[in-house]
Amino acid sequence: AQSVTQPDIHITVSEGASLELRCNYSYGATPYLFWYVQSPGQGLQLLLKYFSGDTLVQGIKGFEAEFKRSQSSFNLRKPSVHWSDAAEYFCAVGAGDTGRRALTFGSGTRLQVQP
Amino acid sequence: ETGVTQTPRHLVMGMTNKKSLKCEQHLGHNAMYWYKQSAKKPLELMFVYSLEERVENNSVPSRFSPECPNSSHLFLHLHTLQPEDSALYLCASSQGAAGGTDTQYFGPGTRLTVL
Repeated sequence: AQSVTQPDIHITVSEGASLELRCNYSYGATPYLFWYVQSPGQGLQLLLKYFSGDTLVQGIKGFEAEFKRSQSSFNLRKPSVHWSDAAEYFCAVGAGDTGRRALTFGSGTRLQVQP
Repeated sequence: ETGVTQTPRHLVMGMTNKKSLKCEQHLGHNAMYWYKQSAKKPLELMFVYSLEERVENNSVPSRFSPECPNSSHLFLHLHTLQPEDSALYLCASSQGAAGGTDTQYFGPGTRLTVL
């Protein structure tokens, strides 16, 4: 069965600083990987996804993520954080070959942005 | 209305009450999902419907009863809940039935409190 680990429960960065949120997955085949963001009281919004091809994926709001098969990682990055980026971020993996019809989510990383 | 909508946004109910959560998707998708999001826990898949047929039931107690009358609407009927069922209930939809590889679009959620 697949699993997702987000090692950092809470991260604080200064506005304008760079950001990297870590995600490690466990899955036997090529995974389908997603990053979602959840603002307080809201549902999840898709930031970006990786299915195949170029391992560096661009998403919305200036985010990008890099798939590294050798490290089983799919870390999310942003070069300059804005105060509006404060939210909770979820990494998720989907199974492409088992027929399981849902995503497995990590526990999330809460991002706080200092002025 | 666009995307995925959920009503009500907040619900407080006693353990002996019966209530229903409603989800509607305006995306023309074929699959719909219920997730439970509890504090400090990863999102938990509850149910998956594909073309109005339940295709996955993730060991959810019988006090939760889903209903999918058509591909645009999904309900979660609640009865005799427990305080530990208090959580944010999220609905999602995807184009295809293989949710593990299809991008899922989430609604804003219903915040449920069981007294």
